[in-house]
Amino acid sequence: GENVEQHPSTLSVQEGDSAVIKCTYSDSASNYFPWYKQELGKGPQLIIDIRSNVGEKKDQRIAVTLNKTAKHFSLHITETQPEDSAVYFCAASTGNTPLVFGKGTRLSVIA
Amino acid sequence: DAGVTQSPTHLIKTRGQQVTLRCSPISGHKSVSWYQQVLGQGPQFIFQYYEKEERGRGNFPDRFSARQFPNYSSELNVNALLLGDSALYLCASSWGGLAGVGQETQYFGPGTRLLVL
Repeated sequence: GENVEQHPSTLSVQEGDSAVIKCTYSDSASNYFPWYKQELGKGPQLIIDIRSNVGEKKDQRIAVTLNKTAKHFSLHITETQPEDSAVYFCAASTGNTPLVFGKGTRLSVIA
Repeated sequence: DAGVTQSPTHLIKTRGQQVTLRCSPISGHKSVSWYQQVLGQGPQFIFQYYEKEERGRGNFPDRFSARQFPNYSSELNVNALLLGDSALYLCASSWGGLAGVGQETQYFGPGTRLLVL
């Protein structure tokens, strides 16, 4: 079955700097890749997702890139703010199989 | 517009007991999925229901069961609780129109935190 590896497990950046979180997946049939942000005591919130027919997607300060050949995708957050501090999860699915999540990255933005 | 709601928010049970967790999806969504999130890990898929039928099941023992009601709300039941069942149980809803279990964007509720003593 699908296996999703996420790195790094923790990440600290200065406010205003960029943050990059990387995920690799094992099933070449995977075609849907969402990213979720989870704040303390809350459920995961979808922040951006990408499907395999595109290589990059942007939404304001957030972007996701996908390399299907290498089977990896990345989340890029620019101009980080303290409110970006949270745990971020990547996930992958073939569409016919459930979402498989990475183990998460704890992002701390230092003011 | 209300998001996914779950009840209760917290629950404490002892080993061997049974528990029922409840979820109401976003208005207009017909599919509900349940996930278990152990501390420090990502969510792990348990079930997905669409139109009261089970559409998918994860690698969980038969002690876990679920159902969906005509109003698309759902219950997750766990019997014979073990210490290892302590976790955050998340419900996610999606439109349901696409047949694949993982094909649609899923929106999560706040979760029910279960502690088994």
